[in-house]
Amino acid sequence: GAVVSQHPSWVICKSGTSVKIECRSLDFQATTMFWYRQFPKQSLMLMATSNEGSKATYEQGVEKDKFLINHASLTLSTLTVTSAHPEDSSFYICSARGTSLSEQYFGPGTRLTVT
Amino acid sequence: QKEVEQNSGPLSVPEGAIASLNCTYSDRGSQSFFWYRQYSGKSPELIMFIYSNGDKEDGRFTAQLNKASQYVSLLIRDSQPSDSATYLCAGNNAGNMLTFGGGTRLMVKP
Repeated sequence: GAVVSQHPSWVICKSGTSVKIECRSLDFQATTMFWYRQFPKQSLMLMATSNEGSKATYEQGVEKDKFLINHASLTLSTLTVTSAHPEDSSFYICSARGTSLSEQYFGPGTRLTVT
Repeated sequence: QKEVEQNSGPLSVPEGAIASLNCTYSDRGSQSFFWYRQYSGKSPELIMFIYSNGDKEDGRFTAQLNKASQYVSLLIRDSQPSDSATYLCAGNNAGNMLTFGGGTRLMVKP
């Protein structure tokens, strides 16, 4: 399958700071990228969907001013958690889709811990 | 009510047995269904997808789709301890986005 990378794989930051997570599709062009959050022992929660060059579409209850998403190219999307708080500590996973639903691959995830 | 429902488990099967994982969905417009495997602390990886009614086999895995009854299942033959993971079922919604179920935790005991 295709490869989607995320960086960093884990990050610890202090409360009030901002953290940027990068998601790259390495061997295909991702028309759509998705950002998920997963708390321990819970399922994936879709946060937002972004198409290259367009503003992201956020799911209900997700603060767009707190979770800034930029999808500047067909291979790169970034998620910035602004003014992070301990309750933002979670596993953040991006997913990139090519031309079909079966061509949707997940990145390895980024574990964020806010102290 | 969630659009895609799975029993959270854990489903425990002995090594070598058949593990049967089930999923029901409420959106009759869903056409495509996907099974992902997620190991603890890792991100999901696609195992299989199925679009048509009936069975689709790939190695030890068989996906089954019954659109009339709105259920999807995944059978894992000759289960191995390495199959122990959470299995996520997903279907496409009207916006052609994937809607995930809560996942079923499978434990294969040696």
